[in-house]
Parts: sequence; C-alpha cells; structure tokens
Amino acid sequence: AQSVAQPEDQVNVAEGNPLTVKCTYSVSGNPYLFWYVQYPNRGLQFLLKYITGDNLVKGSYGFEAEFNKSQTSFHLKKPSALVSDSALYFCAVRVFNQAGTALIFGKGTTLSVSS
Amino acid sequence: DGGITQSPKYLFRKEGQNVTLSCEQNLNHDAMYWYRQDPGQGLRLIYYSQIVNDFQKGDIAEGYSVSREKKESFPLTVTSAQKNPTAFYLCASSTTGVAGELFFGEGSRLTVL
Repeated sequence: AQSVAQPEDQVNVAEGNPLTVKCTYSVSGNPYLFWYVQYPNRGLQFLLKYITGDNLVKGSYGFEAEFNKSQTSFHLKKPSALVSDSALYFCAVRVFNQAGTALIFGKGTTLSVSS
Repeated sequence: DGGITQSPKYLFRKEGQNVTLSCEQNLNHDAMYWYRQDPGQGLRLIYYSQIVNDFQKGDIAEGYSVSREKKESFPLTVTSAQKNPTAFYLCASSTTGVAGELFFGEGSRLTVL
C-alpha cells in the first residue's frame, strides 16, 4: 500500500538554528511528494513539491526539501528557523488508481521554534 | 482573487441531523477533494472528483455523500449515519496532472452536540 510517514510528532528548535522535519514514503512507481504547512484553525498552505529532476527542491518561506530515493525520504529543511515557522507540517504523496489521483497525507509534525 | 471558499466556518448540529458543507472554487480546476482532520490523525480522504458528474470514495466515505453538478462546486453532506462527525473538514482543488498541488480552503469545523 502506498503511504507516507512522519516519525516525529513534535520537533523543537531554537530560533536561528537549522531545522529538519522528517518524512518517509512507500509508493509503487515514481514518487510525487509534497509539503504543506497549517496554522491553527486554517487550511493547508503549499510549501514545495518533488516531481522529477534535482533532488534538492526549494520552496516558499526559505524552506527546502531533499529527495533521497535510496532512503525513500523527503525531509523538509530550513537553514535558520524563525519563531513564525511554528506550525503543523504535513508531508503528502500522490497516489493513483483507475478512478484518478489524490494526495495521501502523513499525520503531521508540530514544529515549535523558541526565541 | 482566485481561491476556494468553504462555508460555514463553524457549524453546530444535534445528533441525527444531516448537514451540508459548501465548497466553491474559481480556480478553473477539474479535480476537487474533501478531507477530514482529527487531532493526531492527519488528513484522511473522504471523497474526490476528477470531473463533473463523477466522484470516487476515499478511505473514510461511510456516512458521507457528495455531488458534483458544476465544475466550481463540490458540497459534502454529513449524514446521520456518520458515527463520529465532529471534526475539521477541508476542501481542496487541483489540476488533474500528476504535478498539480492541492489548493485548500480555510476549513469548516463541525461540532455535533
């Protein structure tokens, strides 16, 4: 079955330090991977995606993600965290069936950046 | 501005009542989706539609129904058969290509009393 996992429920970092939010995936075929951010009681905002090509993907708000095929991972990174980065982060993978496609989401990781 | 509009943002209902959540988009997207969000469980797919007059069940479709009579609209009805309907509901849309990311509405929080 196709799935995505976020092994950490919460990540804590100090402002100015680098951050990493982990994601691993399991798919048959080529992976199409996405990261989203959610602030309290709001919808999800798209950060970045990997479809093909360069393994390092750059996205919104200074975030980037590294696709690693051998480790089946797609970790989200930022060189210097801001307090305003504190939010809930979701990794997602596109799944396919005869009827079409949809995104399957991980359970989310809460990022807390302290000042 | 282009986007997705969900209404109402907050909804309270008594047990046993059906409720309908509205989702409208003006992004000219063919595909639309409904997800349910519960604390600690991430987003789970309820229904999705790739084209007008066609839709497919997701992982947790039991107790829900949808329609797709217009490209812009994809309403979700939470029926009395849904055993635990209190949740945050998110609507999204996208292009139908594999590279298309989902655009989300601001969500509707349903509380069943």
